[in-house]
Parts: sequence; structure tokens; C-alpha cells
Amino acid sequence: AQSVTQLGSHVSVSEGALVLLRCNYSSSVPPYLFWYVQYPNQGLQLLLKYTSAATLVKGINGFEAEFKKSETSFHLTKPSAHMSDAAEYFCSVRTGGSNYKLTFGKGTLLTVNP
Amino acid sequence: SAVISQKPSRDICQRGTSLTIQCQVDSQVTMMFWYRQQPGQSLTLIATANQGSEATYESGFVIDKFPISRPNLTFSTLTVSNMSPEDSSIYLCSVDKGGGGGETQYFGPGTRLLVL
Repeated sequence: AQSVTQLGSHVSVSEGALVLLRCNYSSSVPPYLFWYVQYPNQGLQLLLKYTSAATLVKGINGFEAEFKKSETSFHLTKPSAHMSDAAEYFCSVRTGGSNYKLTFGKGTLLTVNP
Repeated sequence: SAVISQKPSRDICQRGTSLTIQCQVDSQVTMMFWYRQQPGQSLTLIATANQGSEATYESGFVIDKFPISRPNLTFSTLTVSNMSPEDSSIYLCSVDKGGGGGETQYFGPGTRLLVL
């Protein structure tokens, strides 16, 4: 079975500060990992994905995430927060092949203070 | 990627009634999915809809409550039947795109349902 744990349901940063959103996964086989963002009153937008190529993955809007197998982590970072980054962020995992199911974490709400 | 639209975008319904949500994709896809996102919660998969076969429901979801149609490779509907206030949620449609192990799910904008 696969699972995802997002540490911190709410993260607050100042504009221009580093953004770090934590995600740990559990999977019995090499996983595919995804970060999605949900802006208020919108659906989910794919930020980035890891599919066993480079361990450092760059996504849209300046976000990146690093896959660390030894730590079973896939933390999301951005060097400098912008007001427009305020949203809910979801980490998800799938184990690939015929297993198409995505398992989502509970989400982290990012607040950016001026 | 995929461009997905949903109708309606939001609705307010009375308990005991039913609502059908439509999902349209800009390209042919094999697998379509329906999720529920209850207030302040993460996403829960309701069912997987493949064209030409019955939908596959996850534990806790049944066809009588959430009947799904998948008449072709670009369209699906989800009906929320005999609604109660507990059905107030965002309902999202998604599709699988890509291949060679790089399948990615893309999501529609969601349908925001309030049941009174």
C-alpha cells in the first residue's frame, strides 16, 4: 500500500522568504511522485512530477522538489515566496505500471505575508 | 497535458434531489476519474470510468449513489443521487495522460456543490 504524509497543515512565510513544504511517502516499489497546487475556488494544477529520472525536479512558478529515497521524502521548495504562491499544496504518490491510483496527502495551506 | 471542463461550476441543491455533473476533455483518453473533496479535506477517489465498461468504485462509494456514464473517449458524467447535506463537496474530474510510466493525472476546475 502507498501513503503520503504532509508535515504541517499550514505554513506561513514572509514574501521573499524560502518556502519549504514537506512530504514523506510510503511505497513498496519505486514511486512516481507529484505536487499539485490548488488556488482558491479552482481545481488542481500540476506543479511538478518525479518519474525516476533526475532526482531534482523543476516545476512551474519557480518551484522544485528533490526525491530522496533514503529519507522517503519529496519536499517542495521555492527560494523566494511571492504573494501569488498563497494556495493549498498537495503531494501525491502512485506506484506506476497498471496501478493508476493516486494517493494524496492531506494538503498544506501556504500563506504568504507582505 | 489536457484541458478539462466541468459543468456546472457550482450549484445549490435541495436534499433528496439529484445532480448530474459533466466532464469534457479536449482529447481522447482511456481513463477518467471522479474525486470528491470535502470541505477542508484532501481528495478521495470515487470511481474510475473507462469507456465501454462499467465504472470501478472505491470502497465506500456505490453505483446507486454515484452513477457514472462514459459514452465516449472525451466525456463522462457523475450523478450525485438523493443528496443530503453530507454530499456538499467539490467534485473533480481527472484524466490520465502520458505513457511509458510517465502517466500524469490532470484535473478539471471542479464542481462546487452545496446541499441544503
